[in-house]
Amino acid sequence: DTAVSQTPKYLVTQMGNDKSIKCEQNLGHDTMYWYKQDSKKFLKIMFSYNNKELIINETVPNRFSPKSPDKAHLNLHINSLELGDSAVYFCASSQGEGNTEAFFGQGTRLTVV
Amino acid sequence: GNSVTQMEGPVTLSEEAFLTINCTYTATGYPSLFWYVQYPGEGLQLLLKATKADDKGSNKGFEATYRKETTSFHLEKGSVQVSDSAVYFCALRSGGATNKLIFGTGTLLAVQP
Repeated sequence: DTAVSQTPKYLVTQMGNDKSIKCEQNLGHDTMYWYKQDSKKFLKIMFSYNNKELIINETVPNRFSPKSPDKAHLNLHINSLELGDSAVYFCASSQGEGNTEAFFGQGTRLTVV
Repeated sequence: GNSVTQMEGPVTLSEEAFLTINCTYTATGYPSLFWYVQYPGEGLQLLLKATKADDKGSNKGFEATYRKETTSFHLEKGSVQVSDSAVYFCALRSGGATNKLIFGTGTLLAVQP
């Protein structure tokens, strides 16, 4: 019973390609996130959706476009991939707008060659 | 803005040694504080949390106390094991409509037999 699942786990692609990462949570949470973890393990939030509505959009290039078809899914589409996009991308979810913890997926390691 | 500062690693200890990883924060209001752990090749798991001043979070022998007067949430364990080797992240979340989980830079712990 995976709580937050993302696919694929590994993604290797060439520069200039377009790719998507999918995320689903079965916790009934209303808020979902995308985080990027760089090679030094630093975690930075990219986007947050609450009940399918975008509420946080950090300074992320507009080549990155999140899509939330329903509150259990938050997908990340990346256009025109660049070498610097190589990182581990984590999906997470939490309940409500309070101070509750977030639950994370296993991550998607994206390598752009 | 809100931020988290944690001690830089790597921290290298022998098995059964005492562990402290320092974490201090800057936040408006009354944030919740968290420690997450990331084992090699895996996603982030919540280790423990505290939601108000003087709360102590504990799990798997790890402890951390929410100290409002020193704005700290240091992680401690009395006797580490090789299996505790991982990256540890301190984080805070302050609630509200655009609240987000803000992470420290992570501290790599390596425990040697």
